[in-house]
Amino acid sequence: GESVGLHLPTLSVQEGDNSIINCAYSNSASDYFIWYKQESGKGPQFIIDIRSNMDKRQGQRVTVLLNKTVKHLSLQIAATQPGDSAVYFCAEGPEKLTFGTGTRLTIIP
Amino acid sequence: DGGITQSPKYLFRKEGQNVTLSCEQNLNHDAMYWYRQDPGQGLRLIYYSQIVNDFQKGDIAEGYSVSREKKESFPLTVTSAQKNPTAFYLCASSIRTPYGYTFGSGTRLTVV
Repeated sequence: GESVGLHLPTLSVQEGDNSIINCAYSNSASDYFIWYKQESGKGPQFIIDIRSNMDKRQGQRVTVLLNKTVKHLSLQIAATQPGDSAVYFCAEGPEKLTFGTGTRLTIIP
Repeated sequence: DGGITQSPKYLFRKEGQNVTLSCEQNLNHDAMYWYRQDPGQGLRLIYYSQIVNDFQKGDIAEGYSVSREKKESFPLTVTSAQKNPTAFYLCASSIRTPYGYTFGSGTRLTVV
């Protein structure tokens, strides 16, 4: 079946540096992509989304890039802060969302 | 404030007992979803509903049941047929699938 996968399960970044979290997807019919942040013991929180007619979308300190040619999605977090430590999930769908397994981001002081 | 509420936060049950997890939203969303999350893993879809009195099975529906009698409510019953029920259960809602899911804070179910 279709799946969403992540290149790296863990990522450690120095505080103040930029973080890049990658995600590969396999469903070429997917037209909507979304990133969530999940802190320990809590529900996922929406970060940013993008539709397939866009290549890039920016939010506050975050940017999502979509490369449909290679079915790749990335989340860039600028000037990473301790509060950014969490597990980050990408999800995709034409219908109900399919989630990847997540990347744990750890911030090094 | 609008939101989605799951209760209880922690739930303990004996093996062989059915248990119902509550999910209520006041966001006026049409679609609601139940996901299961195991340690170190992603979210797997159990059931979803796009409209009142209608719901569809997700990827891991066996051993679970749901109802959608009201727009605001989408309770999940974990039955004794579910072989490994201990997990973190997340409820979500959206205006319409798949856009802009809002998640609840989850219920951690432990079966002993």
